[in-house]
Amino acid sequence: DADVTQTPRNRITKTGKRIMLECSQTKGHDRMYWYRQDPGLGLRLIYYSFDVKDINKGEISDGYSVSRQAQAKFSLSLESAIPNQTALYFCATSDPGTGIGYTFGSGTRLTVV
Amino acid sequence: AQSVTQLGSHVSVSEGALVLLRCNYSSSVPPYLFWYVQYPNQGLQLLLKYTTGATLVKGINGFEAEFKKSETSFHLTKPSAHMSDAAEYFCAVSDFSGNQFYFGTGTSLTVIP
Repeated sequence: DADVTQTPRNRITKTGKRIMLECSQTKGHDRMYWYRQDPGLGLRLIYYSFDVKDINKGEISDGYSVSRQAQAKFSLSLESAIPNQTALYFCATSDPGTGIGYTFGSGTRLTVV
Repeated sequence: AQSVTQLGSHVSVSEGALVLLRCNYSSSVPPYLFWYVQYPNQGLQLLLKYTTGATLVKGINGFEAEFKKSETSFHLTKPSAHMSDAAEYFCAVSDFSGNQFYFGTGTSLTVIP
């Protein structure tokens, strides 16, 4: 099994619908992150969590919310999806202080029509 | 906040030619530095990282990068490109706290037969 698992891998949804993207990890890392990737813009941070009781906004949190249900689970919700939220979404985990970098999931490709 | 600049959003090289992907960062304190690779329809994989010690870092698949503090650069090189190197490459930095990573906008590498 993958260290960081994202579900679904692909999703098409309609404008105005609520959608949840899920992420689970077996790394045992406390820190988890949600990024979105858009062509030419690289990866931009949406939300991050340093432990179950800690949630922080990233640079582009508007229109998104998150839930850290357990150390291993971090879900991203789009309360009312809009077309410009069409993107590739990545979940990542990290082990702070060791400089080992992120472990990424395989991504969720979301299309809002 | 730190920033990362990747010069050239698209780079094309011939098979067997030198690969050079450029990355510059803005930081007054030497950070942790990373290169990630993203193959089509996949997540990001760690290619190599610099934390401390030797400034020339070797990674997977024959890639290496050199940390040059005076130039605030961390360019990625490979002596001889292979068709399988075609992918998107991202440079990233973090501070010693590891609280957050900052990604460049990515460089798409095309290898011409």
